[in-house]
Amino acid sequence: AQKVTQAQTEISVVEKEDVTLDCVYETRDTTYYLFWYKQPPSGELVFLIRRNSFDEQNEISGRYSWNFQKSTSSFNFTITASQVVDSAVYFCALKEVGNTDKLIFGTGTRLQVFP
Amino acid sequence: DAGVIQSPRHEVTEMGQEVTLRCKPISGHDYLFWYRQTMMRGLELLIYFNNNVPIDDSGMPEDRFSAKMPNASFSTLKIQPSEPRDSAVYFCASSFRGRMNTEAFFGQGTRLTVV
Repeated sequence: AQKVTQAQTEISVVEKEDVTLDCVYETRDTTYYLFWYKQPPSGELVFLIRRNSFDEQNEISGRYSWNFQKSTSSFNFTITASQVVDSAVYFCALKEVGNTDKLIFGTGTRLQVFP
Repeated sequence: DAGVIQSPRHEVTEMGQEVTLRCKPISGHDYLFWYRQTMMRGLELLIYFNNNVPIDDSGMPEDRFSAKMPNASFSTLKIQPSEPRDSAVYFCASSFRGRMNTEAFFGQGTRLTVV
């Protein structure tokens, strides 16, 4: 069954600390996509990254980096030198492209960055 | 493109009334998703369409909920009769499969309050 698990419900850090948000997924498909979205206090869902199942290269974008490991079915997200503006709920999501094309979200991790 | 457009942004209604939420997906997108977000259950996929056809409505909570997509540029989610437990933020999202499976783009959401 298709499932996304974000075990960390809430994380609090002080500004400039590094923080890693965990995401573990389950799927029977060999072809799938993984996503991270950010939901700031204003409520909209902002796309951060898409990764397909055939591309295990890690990616860095500014202070953000993502570590995709198929062997452990994980797609973790690290924010380096966190800032107050990073405070938000972060969602990991999985889309199978075989039978279902469903886009399923994890329960989210609330990140609070204190000054 | 204006992005995914949802209306209304806020809706307050009395228990028992019919509520209709509207969504205009991004032009050219062939997938449309309806999600409900609550504190207790997070982001739940209610139903999704591919090329205007409902593919999976297993997330629709009960018969009081119905969704339609009469054409590629419009979808509705209807609740009749509404109940206080339906209070939530309802998001519509669209995506394009094609050769590159794009991320889902979300609307601003409709905050529904049933009193």
